[in-house]
Amino acid sequence: ETGVTQSPTHLIKTRGQQVTLRCSSQSGHNTVSWYQQALGQGPQFIFQYYREEENGRGNFPPRFSGLQFPNYSSELNVNALELDDSALYLCASSWGGTVNTGELFFGEGSRLTVL
Amino acid sequence: GNSVTQMEGPVTLSEEAFLTINCTYTATGYPSLFWYVQYPGEGLQLLLKATKADDKGSNKGFEATYRKETTSFHLEKGSVQVSDSAVYFCALSDRGSTLGRLYFGRGTQLTVWP
Repeated sequence: ETGVTQSPTHLIKTRGQQVTLRCSSQSGHNTVSWYQQALGQGPQFIFQYYREEENGRGNFPPRFSGLQFPNYSSELNVNALELDDSALYLCASSWGGTVNTGELFFGEGSRLTVL
Repeated sequence: GNSVTQMEGPVTLSEEAFLTINCTYTATGYPSLFWYVQYPGEGLQLLLKATKADDKGSNKGFEATYRKETTSFHLEKGSVQVSDSAVYFCALSDRGSTLGRLYFGRGTQLTVWP
């Protein structure tokens, strides 16, 4: 069984640039969630995709956007990067059929540094 | 709204010591409660969960009991090992909210010395 994989693992961008982070969900999972984990903080929910559609969004501005593809992999795009966007971005997959079990399977994350 | 308040860290213990990490929550509905663990260099992993009041979740010697009357879900282990060194996150999932959305606490860094 293949776990959740994320790429890239580390990247550095400058303020104002755009970034795309990628996630392959665990085999058999059709739901992908993205979380932002700032240094010393718990993960904060960005949004979730279920069957290629956004299925809920946290308190993040529209410059955070995403996609889910037919194979359930996903992308997180952030435009007009700000210094405060520096964080670990976590992707988590789950099976949407288990309603709100909360058991998510996380990747190791993509660490973004904005200079 | 939904929120989780977690005991501030870091926590440093000697091997075989007793561990308690406090967690309290606020929820608008009937939450499920979780402890996730993040080992160095690894992704978050589910440690244990409880889905209703008075349930006890347990795994790898860790336990936590869902206490609705005190809105708490404290993590305990009777005898910690060096390999338990990690960051522990308390979290809740409110069944009234987005499918599977988790609200996390800030995390507690645990270091166990031999």
